[in-house]
Amino acid sequence: QVQLQESGPGLVKPSETLSLTCTVSGASIRSYYWSWIRQPPGKGLEWIGYIYYSGSTGYNPSLKSRVTFSVDTSNNQLSLRLSSVTAADTAVYYCANGVVPTGSWGQGALVTVSS
Amino acid sequence: QSVLTQPPSASGTPGQTVTISCYGSSSNIGSSSVNWYQQFPGTAPKLLIYGDHQRPSGVPGRFSASKSGTSASLAISGLPSEDEADYYCAAWDDSLNAFVFGSGTKVTVL
Repeated sequence: QVQLQESGPGLVKPSETLSLTCTVSGASIRSYYWSWIRQPPGKGLEWIGYIYYSGSTGYNPSLKSRVTFSVDTSNNQLSLRLSSVTAADTAVYYCANGVVPTGSWGQGALVTVSS
Repeated sequence: QSVLTQPPSASGTPGQTVTISCYGSSSNIGSSSVNWYQQFPGTAPKLLIYGDHQRPSGVPGRFSASKSGTSASLAISGLPSEDEADYYCAAWDDSLNAFVFGSGTKVTVL
């Protein structure tokens, strides 16, 4: 069974870059597409985009100018970078299996944007 | 403002059937398959339905879903107390070129 675990700083200052890693176990990262989703506290879900190990990506147009995904096949990890963050980027960030999440999800990582 | 519209809440007594609606448009529900997700407080969402009405392995048969035109619905029959959670519909939107979620419906078991 595929398992995912997000990790990264829980606090980021406004205007800085948010960076998260998702470690995949139970499957090769080359086997699937992977997606990122976020959820502001008390609010709904927002799809951020997807990545394939080849580097193929798709981003939500609402975030495309600020977000970058990457894959580290040697460590079976995904990464998300979101630049120029504001308080509106405070959310629980999830990685999941699939272009759209159709399989396993990570437990989520809360990232708070605050000075 | 979510692209897909759901009622903020729905409720029922144990054993009843609760139905959740999801309204979209020709660029999302009208042209793409619908997924439904279940989320308990403090936990990650879980895929409940994919491809409009398909249940992944392990999802109880009391969950069923359908789609007609630009709207979709999820029904929970024989509502047990443990199904008290948030439910989200979702679909690919061709105009936005993005996967969009509904606003979410909180189901309460009275």
